[in-house]
Amino acid sequence: AAGVIQSPRHLIKEKRETATLKCYPIPRHDTVYWYQQGPGQDPQFLISFYEKMQSDKGSIPDRFSAQQFSDYHSELNMSSLELGDSALYFCASSLGADDGYTFGSGTRLTVV
Amino acid sequence: AQSVTQLDSHVSVSEGTPVLLRCNYSSSYSPSLFWYVQHPNKGLQLLLKYTSAATLVKGINGFEAEFKKSETSFHLTKPSAHMSDAAEYFCVVSEATDSWGKLQFGAGTQVVVTP
Repeated sequence: AAGVIQSPRHLIKEKRETATLKCYPIPRHDTVYWYQQGPGQDPQFLISFYEKMQSDKGSIPDRFSAQQFSDYHSELNMSSLELGDSALYFCASSLGADDGYTFGSGTRLTVV
Repeated sequence: AQSVTQLDSHVSVSEGTPVLLRCNYSSSYSPSLFWYVQHPNKGLQLLLKYTSAATLVKGINGFEAEFKKSETSFHLTKPSAHMSDAAEYFCVVSEATDSWGKLQFGAGTQVVVTP
C-alpha cells in the first residue's frame, strides 16, 4: 500500500541557509500535518492543511512557512536556519480528523 | 484543551513477560486515542487507535489497549514481550473539533527488552 513519502530523507544545511522539505500524502487523503521532533523529545505540531487551506497552526516559527498544493503534496519552507532547527521533521496524512494518521519516515535536518 | 501523560519514561521487561505502558489523557471533547511506536532512526508506526467504538482495541504485533473513560486512561499491553518490541512508544490524543484533529503526543516511553 502507498505510504506517506517525504523527501529528502536527510538534509544538511548551514546556519542562515534555507531548506525545503516535501511531503506526498497517501492518495485521497485530504489532510496533511507537519511535526518537529527534537533530539530525545516527543513530536511537536507545527502546522496542518485541509483541502489545500491552512487548518491549524502550532509552534511554528515565523521563519517557517508551508503550503499544500493542488495535487495535495505539501512543502515546508524554512529560512534563516538556526542550530536549534536540527530535528526530525515528520509529515502525516489522514482522511478525516479521527482517522488513523499515517506518518512518513521523516526528514532529518542537521544545521551546522 | 487536550493533554497526554505517559506515566513511565522507561520500562524494562524480560523477553516473554507482559508489557504495560500507562497513559492518562485529558480532553474537553470525546477524544480519539492512538498508540504509535518509533524504532531507532525510524518513522512513527501506528499500533492501534480508539475512535469511540469498542473500548478494548486490538492492534498490530499482539498489542492491545483499553479505553477507560472513568479513569481517563488508555494503557497499552502485550502478553509476551519480544526483542523486536524494544522501541519508543507514544500515546497520542486527538480532538476532532475545530482544530481539525491535531495530535497531542505524550512524552514517550522507552521500552527495553532483556533476554
